Amino acid sequence: AQTVTQSQPEMSVQEAETVTLSCTYDTSENNYYLFWYKQPPSRQMILVIRQEAYKQQNATENRFSVNFQKAAKSFSLKISDSQLGDTAMYFCAVHYNQGGKLIFGQGTELSVKP
Amino acid sequence: DAGITQSPRHKVTETGTPVTLRCHQTENHRYMYWYRQDPGHGLRLIHYSYGVKDTDKGEVSDGYSVSRSKTEDFLLTLESATSSQTSVYFCAIRSGTGTNEQFFGPGTRLTVL
Repeated sequence: AQTVTQSQPEMSVQEAETVTLSCTYDTSENNYYLFWYKQPPSRQMILVIRQEAYKQQNATENRFSVNFQKAAKSFSLKISDSQLGDTAMYFCAVHYNQGGKLIFGQGTELSVKP
Repeated sequence: DAGITQSPRHKVTETGTPVTLRCHQTENHRYMYWYRQDPGHGLRLIHYSYGVKDTDKGEVSDGYSVSRSKTEDFLLTLESATSSQTSVYFCAIRSGTGTNEQFFGPGTRLTVL
C-alpha cells in the first residue's frame, strides 16, 4: 500500500524563527510528485510547494523549501522567518503515477507564536 | 484561483436522506476529484473522474456515488446519509500542465444527524 506519514501532529515556533515539518512515504515507483499543502483556519487548501522525484535539486518558494531525500523516502518542509500567517495545518501529499492518485499524510498543525 | 466552486457550502441533514454535493469548474480540466477530510486522517479520496461519464473509485467510496455528465460539473451523492458521513468534503481538479498539482474548492461541511 502507498502511504504517507507525518509523525508530528502538532508543532509550534516563535515568530521569525525556522521550523521543519517531516514527511515520509512509501512507494516502489521511481517517478512521482510530492507536494506540501497549507490549510489555514479558513479551511482552504493552498499549494505551498512542489517537488518532482526525478529532480535532485530541492524546490524553493520564497521562505519555503524542501529537503527531498529520495533514497530515504523523506520529504520535509522548512519554513524560514516564520510569520503569524503561517499558522495552519500542513499536509504532505504524494502523487503516484500508478492510478494517478494523490495520497495525503495526516497533517501537522503548526502554531506560530508572537 | 482555479475557478472551482462547491455547493452547498454547509448542509445539515438527517440519517437516511439522500444528499448531493456539486462541484463546478470553469477551466475545462479533465480530472476532477472528491475527498473527505476527517480529524487524524488528512484527506481521503472518495471518487474521481477522468472525463465525461468516466469515473473510478477511491479508497473510501462505500456509500457514495458520483456522476459527470458535463466537463464542468462533478456531483457526489450520498444515497442514504449516515452519521459516519459527517465530514468536510473537498472537490479538486488536476492541473493540465503535467505537474500533477491539484487545486481545491472551498469545501462543504456536511453534518448528518
